[in-house]
Amino acid sequence: NAGVTQTPKFRVLKTGQSMTLLCAQDMNHEYMYWYRQDPGMGLRLIHYSVGEGTTAKGEVPDGYNVSRLKKQNFLLGLESAAPSQTSVYFCASRPAAGGRDEQFFGPGTRLTVL
Amino acid sequence: QQQVKQSPQSLIVQKGGISIINCAYENTAFDYFPWYQQFPGKGPALLIAIRPDVSEKKEGRFTISFNKSAKQFSLHIMDSQPGDSATYFCAASKALSGAQKLVFGQGTRLTINP
Repeated sequence: NAGVTQTPKFRVLKTGQSMTLLCAQDMNHEYMYWYRQDPGMGLRLIHYSVGEGTTAKGEVPDGYNVSRLKKQNFLLGLESAAPSQTSVYFCASRPAAGGRDEQFFGPGTRLTVL
Repeated sequence: QQQVKQSPQSLIVQKGGISIINCAYENTAFDYFPWYQQFPGKGPALLIAIRPDVSEKKEGRFTISFNKSAKQFSLHIMDSQPGDSATYFCAASKALSGAQKLVFGQGTRLTINP
């Protein structure tokens, strides 16, 4: 049981380049989330999904797109990277019911945009 | 607009002492208040959470105190240990069921000196 995994762990992009971050969970969770973490700002929700095939905007969605074609995967895309998107990105998942109502976080992806 | 404000930014406590971190929120619709703990290079993990129908919740050495009228809540760590050294985030969300879109505070870096 790997929990929540994120690929890649590190990435350096040039301004204007595109990339996709992959999040995978093996806990059969309904909900999945993408956050960005910046110093002094905590974590901010980018996009989230309440189930396979559905996505919704969070607090800071501009410049990002997401897809959830399979229940276990949640992809975050940057179509044209900007230096302001330099951040650590965390994916999380959560079951629809039961337990401590906890969001389970992955280990993060550190992205630098030059 | 920071909906959840956390203080202090950093905190140093001696081993065996009490660590106290405070949060204030603005949105009275928030009804779920978790604290997450994050170690360097890792994703956040749920530590303890409270709902507004109780004023205090205790789990081992960790206690949340909640003041609904003041729109404030705090984390108390009793008998603080070096292993508690981490960054702590308070958070809030509007609905315990459903999407649980967490709004995080800015984070507090806690250092416990041996």
